[in-house]
Amino acid sequence: AQSVTQLGSHVSVSEGALVLLRCNYSSSVPPYLFWYVQYPNQGLQLLLKYTSAATLVKGINGFEAEFKKSETSFHLTKPSAHMSDAAEYFCAVSSNTANDMRFGAGTRLTVKP
Amino acid sequence: KAGVTQTPRYLIKTRGQQVTLSCSPISGHRSVSWYQQTPGQGLQFLFEYFSETQRNKGNFPGRFSGRQFSNSRSEMNVSTLELGDSALYLCASSLVGGSGDEQYFGPGTRLTVT
Repeated sequence: AQSVTQLGSHVSVSEGALVLLRCNYSSSVPPYLFWYVQYPNQGLQLLLKYTSAATLVKGINGFEAEFKKSETSFHLTKPSAHMSDAAEYFCAVSSNTANDMRFGAGTRLTVKP
Repeated sequence: KAGVTQTPRYLIKTRGQQVTLSCSPISGHRSVSWYQQTPGQGLQFLFEYFSETQRNKGNFPGRFSGRQFSNSRSEMNVSTLELGDSALYLCASSLVGGSGDEQYFGPGTRLTVT
């Protein structure tokens, strides 16, 4: 069975500061890993995904994530936070055999002016 | 290309009633997955349909069911509603599912059970 754990249900940063959202995964097979963002009253939007092609994955809106197998981590970063980044972020994992995506509990990002 | 659409967007039902939610995937997508999102339990996988067949199922009681039509549109049904079924129900579509296929989410149907 696969799962993800997001460390920190709430992260607060100042505008212009580094954003770091943590995600650790557990999977018995090589995983596919995803980061999604959810704005209030909306569905989820894909930020980026890891599919073993490269360990550093660049996504939309300036976000990127690095796959570290030794640490079973897939942390999401952005060098400089914008007010528009305030949202809830979800890390997710799926296997390569089925559409069985499992989500973390989510991290709510607040950006202070 | 139109995104994933879900109808209705908001729904209020009474305990004991049943409800049907609808999802239209992105054109060409054949896999449709359903998720329940609540503040307490987060995002939980309900089931996935591909080519009109349920291919994967999460850990939900039999009151939760679904189906997929030949045009890939999907419906989910919840019978004998309970207060705890109040949630945002999200539908996601992907080309074929599996193998890291990206899922595209609809805006959700917010169900309130009173």
